[in-house]
Amino acid sequence: DGGITQSPKYLFRKEGQNVTLSCEQNLNHDAMYWYRQDPGQGLRLIYYSQIVNDFQKGDIAEGYSVSREKKESFPLTVTSAQKNPTAFYLCASRRVPDPGAGELFFGEGSRLTVL
Amino acid sequence: RKEVEQDPGPFNVPEGATVAFNCTYSNSASQSFFWYRQDCRKEPKLLMSVYSSGNEDGRFTAQLNRASQYISLLIRDSKLSDSATYLCVVYAGNNRKLIWGLGTSLAVNP
Repeated sequence: DGGITQSPKYLFRKEGQNVTLSCEQNLNHDAMYWYRQDPGQGLRLIYYSQIVNDFQKGDIAEGYSVSREKKESFPLTVTSAQKNPTAFYLCASRRVPDPGAGELFFGEGSRLTVL
Repeated sequence: RKEVEQDPGPFNVPEGATVAFNCTYSNSASQSFFWYRQDCRKEPKLLMSVYSSGNEDGRFTAQLNRASQYISLLIRDSKLSDSATYLCVVYAGNNRKLIWGLGTSLAVNP
């Protein structure tokens, strides 16, 4: 079955440690996205990529980094510079890059808790 | 004013009821509109896209009112399985951004 796989589902880390969240898709989609969801806030875009070896900052990119070396993979690193890293992180993909066209498919999410 | 606003609810309705949610948006250049459904602690999933005046899919009807800048979602004959948070999403071509509402929580009770 086609879909998006995120790992790990749950992650606990100490303050000051970098963390990498994995996102893999087998939908052959060009565009991939990372969102963050916090209680009382809508989904906020961290980074997105419309093509391999290219990515763009979203609205809240500070303290995060990404790479897009393969079409299928778009890992997110939460660095120690991120002030409030505890959140629910969602990876998504879309067949076409145009945000106004087509469905966003999401992974099951990674819940990061920084102690 | 927030770019996309939704009544957070919760809406508590009995099975079989009809319930409607509204979502208002501030950018008059908004072009595309979506309703996503999100179950508790799960990922959002697309429920309906609204590209013109409205869209219907079974028990679900979405309508767009451009003059008043809102979209609505109507659920008829509510089922227990409809209990979820419904997220309104708006796309404005002029800034090429998807804006997500905070969601409206629905609880359908037996």
